[in-house]
Amino acid sequence: EIVLTQSPDFQSVTPKEKVTITCRASQSIGSSLHWYQQKPDQSPKLLIKYASQSFSGVPSRFSGSGSGTDFTLTINSLEAEDAATYYCHQSSSPWTFGQGTKVEIK
Amino acid sequence: QVQLVESGGGLVKPGGSLRLSCAASGFTFSDYYMSWIRQAPGKGLEWVSYISSSGSTIYYADSVKGRFTISRDNAKNSLYLQMNSLRAEDTAVYYCARAYEEFAAQGYYFDYWGQGTLVTVSS
Repeated sequence: EIVLTQSPDFQSVTPKEKVTITCRASQSIGSSLHWYQQKPDQSPKLLIKYASQSFSGVPSRFSGSGSGTDFTLTINSLEAEDAATYYCHQSSSPWTFGQGTKVEIK
Repeated sequence: QVQLVESGGGLVKPGGSLRLSCAASGFTFSDYYMSWIRQAPGKGLEWVSYISSSGSTIYYADSVKGRFTISRDNAKNSLYLQMNSLRAEDTAVYYCARAYEEFAAQGYYFDYWGQGTLVTVSS
C-alpha cells in the first residue's frame, strides 16, 4: 500500500498569508495525486487533480505542483473562507488518502 | 447538476449488518466508476471500495475486505454497500463519490461527493 504523509498536521495562518502543504508518497505515483478541501460539517471538495490541474470553479489562489513522490498544495493570499482540512489522495493502487492538514485562520 | 444522496445509515450492534445506498442523478451513471469513502468521527478520510462502470472490476481496502460488498444497479442509478460483521471501528460517516479518469492509466479522482450517511456500531 502506498502511504501518503502530509505536513504539517496543523497550521495557523493570518489572512493574506501564503500557505504551503506538502504530501509525500512512499513510492513514486507519477502525477496521480489529487487535493481536496473539507470544511467543518461538509463533504470534501476537489481542488486540484493530477498534481497541478485546477478543478472547475476553484479559485486561482489554489495551485498544486510536484510529481513522483513529492507534492505541494499552495494557497496564495489566504482568505477566511479557506479555513478547512486539506487532504491529498493518490490513485495509483490501491487508493489512499493523506492524514489531512488543518488550516486555521488566526 | 450532479447529485449523490446516501441513505441507510444508523445504529447497529457489533456483528450486525447494514446496507447503504447512494442514489445518483444529473449524469449518466453507467459511464462512471463509483466509490465509497468513510470518515470516523474527528478523523481523516479512508477509501473503502470502488466499482467500475459495468461492475466487473471491484477493489476493497484491506480493512473491509471479506466483510463489505460493493455493488451497483445501473438501471436504477444506484450504488450500494453491504456491510456485514460490523465492528466498532467501522463507525464513520460513509460518503459515496463519483470517480473519474481523464486518460487511461492516469488515475482516478473524486469529482463529486454525497453528503454522507452516519453508521454507528455500538452495543
